Amino acid sequence: SAVISQKPSRDICQRGTSLTIQCQVDSQVTMMFWYRQQPGQSLTLIATANQGSEATYESGFVIDKFPISRPNLTFSTLTVSNLSPEDSSIYLCSVLSGRIYEQYFGPGTRLTVT
Amino acid sequence: SQKIEQNSEALNIQEGKTATLTCNYTNYSPAYLQWYRQDPGRGPVFLLLIRENEKEKRKERLKVTFDTTLKQSLFHITASQPADSATYLCALVLGSGNTGKLIFGQGTTLQVKP
Repeated sequence: SAVISQKPSRDICQRGTSLTIQCQVDSQVTMMFWYRQQPGQSLTLIATANQGSEATYESGFVIDKFPISRPNLTFSTLTVSNLSPEDSSIYLCSVLSGRIYEQYFGPGTRLTVT
Repeated sequence: SQKIEQNSEALNIQEGKTATLTCNYTNYSPAYLQWYRQDPGRGPVFLLLIRENEKEKRKERLKVTFDTTLKQSLFHITASQPADSATYLCALVLGSGNTGKLIFGQGTTLQVKP
């Protein structure tokens, strides 16, 4: 199994600013994922981040708004840019385990935009 | 349109009874279906995976069925306990190859009363 930590666990940000969320894994993994979970909603995949290549974004999510870095096999960051109240959500990172299709999730970062 | 639907209303049951949660989907052809548990303030935790050619999968007090004709999965917890109280998410794994991409339902909250 993989142990995933995220920083910060929560933050309150002002409209127009940006927040960078860090995701650290205790083992090397190829694929990392970033999800958004809006209040009362399901998890929605934002992008897939593979080390050494550009992140792949899902429909409705763009790099300018959600830039992602993946500098090595244990770490990734997601930045949420030009914040608006609609960005208030929980953001989670996950990794694919060695067992086929099983994912491990971090504890999430709760973002509130005022 | 493509949809994954889980009962949005919370399920309240008495301790010791069997809880049954439903996941229905339309216009998807998943290769696999997964169930996750999510506690408040935490990321989802993987519980079970069932393949499209499997009818049923069991793990301890958990049982999952998968009917690709009905496009439905049922998730059962037998001899339920208050500690089983949580939100349960179903997730579809699409396509061939281990891309890791998951599509989540919105989850059903289970409350087990002592």
